[in-house]
Amino acid sequence: DIQMTQSPSSLSASVGDRVTITCRASQTIGNSLNWYQQNPGRAPKLLVYGAITLKSGVPSRFSGSGSGTNFTLTISSLQPDDFAFYFCHQSFDSSWTFGQGTTVDIK
Amino acid sequence: QVQLQESGPGLVKPSQTLSLTCTVSGASVSGTDYYSWIRQPPGKGLEWIGYIHHSGGTNYNPSLKRRVTISLDKSRKQFSLKLTSVTTEDTAVYYCATVSIAMTGISYFDYWGQGTLVTVSP
Repeated sequence: DIQMTQSPSSLSASVGDRVTITCRASQTIGNSLNWYQQNPGRAPKLLVYGAITLKSGVPSRFSGSGSGTNFTLTISSLQPDDFAFYFCHQSFDSSWTFGQGTTVDIK
Repeated sequence: QVQLQESGPGLVKPSQTLSLTCTVSGASVSGTDYYSWIRQPPGKGLEWIGYIHHSGGTNYNPSLKRRVTISLDKSRKQFSLKLTSVTTEDTAVYYCATVSIAMTGISYFDYWGQGTLVTVSP
């Protein structure tokens, strides 16, 4: 299986801060990397697919970058709704795997 | 608006079969590429279980393949998960999700259910 290492596991930030979350794949996965957000008790929501493509309706403060083995999700200016759990997902090979996730909480 | 809702027993005894159903609303069965199950044990990361194509083809996580069956009932707009010979290690929140394939060929989970906790205990 392709291992996905996500960091940090948690971070504390304030409204307006720029936040960066990274995922590293154990082998190259091209751009087969997706990012999701989950608020407590709610269904996860797709933010970015194909490493860089923002899902329609997702605020433009979210962006994804990277290819190969290193990927980044950036929130340019953190908003109150953005305090949540974020995780990455690779769909490169036939056995899909996830990063362990990052909890973004209020500083 | 696409919505998914998991349903099934919240408690299963060891060695028995875990059975869950996901009901899809707001989406066309043939218009959805795949239907998938994912789980998250308490305090651990997410684990992909498998998916079924709307034509009926399946793909399962190798670590669970011997025990998993995913099926699709198009008429009811439901898909189901069966996991046999469960142990306490199978205690988890189980999510259902739809999978789409982008023009570039990349697959992603585009809609998820809220998840349902299944506890395996005597």
